[in-house]
This record gives sequence, C-alpha cells and structure tokens, in this order.
Amino acid sequence: QKEVEQNSGPLSVPEGAIASLNCTYSDRGSQSFFWYRQYSGKSPELIMFIYSNGDKEDGRFTAQLNKASQYVSLLIRDSQPSDSATYLCAVNHGNQFYFGTGTSLTVIP
Amino acid sequence: DADVTQTPRNRITKTGKRIMLECSQTKGHDRMYWYRQDPGLGLRLIYYSFDVKDINKGEISDGYSVSRQAQAKFSLSLESAIPNQTALYFCATSDPIDASGANVLTFGAGSRLTVL
Repeated sequence: QKEVEQNSGPLSVPEGAIASLNCTYSDRGSQSFFWYRQYSGKSPELIMFIYSNGDKEDGRFTAQLNKASQYVSLLIRDSQPSDSATYLCAVNHGNQFYFGTGTSLTVIP
Repeated sequence: DADVTQTPRNRITKTGKRIMLECSQTKGHDRMYWYRQDPGLGLRLIYYSFDVKDINKGEISDGYSVSRQAQAKFSLSLESAIPNQTALYFCATSDPIDASGANVLTFGAGSRLTVL
C-alpha cells in the first residue's frame, strides 16, 4: 500500500466552479500535510499545509484534514484557468516527506 | 536569484558516463533533499541530509551517491548512468515554517537528465 494516494484524474471543472482534490494516507503517525501545485515541467510550489484536524483557509484555497479517516482534501473556489496544473499531496512522517502521484486539474474557460 | 539553485538544468548523456547534479541554497536551511520525478510515479526520495556530517539513504538510493560539501551545497552523482535514470531531478530544502515545528519543502527548478 502506498503511503499517499491520490486520484490521478484528470479532473475538469468549468471556470468559476469549485474544484475538489482528495488524498488519503496510510500512516496514522503522520504529522503534517501539504498541498503543492506543479505546472508542467516546473517545480512543485507550496499552496498550503495543515497539521490540525479541521479546515484551513487561504484565499480561494481551503485544506481539510480528518486524521481519523486519514484523509486530506483541497478545495479551490472560483477556479481559474491559471489553476490548471497537477496538485501533489504530501505527508510528513518522521524525517521524511511522502508524495502522492498527483491529480491533474484542468479549468475550462 | 533563486533560493535553491540547481545546475545543470538540462543534461543529455550516454550510458556509463559519470554525472553530477549540483544544488546550492541561500535559505540557510540545514536539511537538504534529492528527489526524482517520473511520470505516474510521483516524487521519490533518493538521499537526504540534515547537516554536513549527516547523509541518509532514501527510497531509491541504488545507483546514486551524494556529497554535502557545505551547509549550502548538496550534490548528487550518478557514477555510471543508465537509461532508466532518465528523469526530472529536484533538490529541496526544508526548515520549520512556524512555531508548530512543521517542516516545509522548498524545491529548486529541477534538472532534467536524459541518459541515452
């Protein structure tokens, strides 16, 4: 079983809609959870991190963490074409970070 | 200037050649990492280092070696490159981001390596 699992997509949403990205992780001892955005051929860039159960909002982005269900999600409100990218979920456990394979999001104008 | 700089950005080489990818950072972070990214496989950890005297193997260290020459410099070597080492390589640093102690990775721009 992989440490971090994401639906690879592709996920398509119309401009202005809410995009919902999901991630599950296997190790209950995981401490911190991250969402990175990666444009094709570019490096991952941090969108948000969360370490407490519940929601964390930053502008159009909301991260949700449910440790009991071992589930992390990212909501993108008012999706824009510039949000089209691959979104990587990452988990920090001990001294290492574990990444999912990413979900490809396309926002259709 | 970028906080985490990788050189070269692109490299094409032949099977059996020795290759070094270099990484330098100006963030003052102690922790540095090398990842490779392959389509469909995500980011996988090759090696990581928490200070100059600390080197640790990651998930896929076979065929690779590293050198931490200084706090700011962390190099990845392929002693004898093979075609399945063709990938996008990322160097990253991390440090606690806030009082929570959560560490956050900051990535370099990447080095695309092609082994023919």
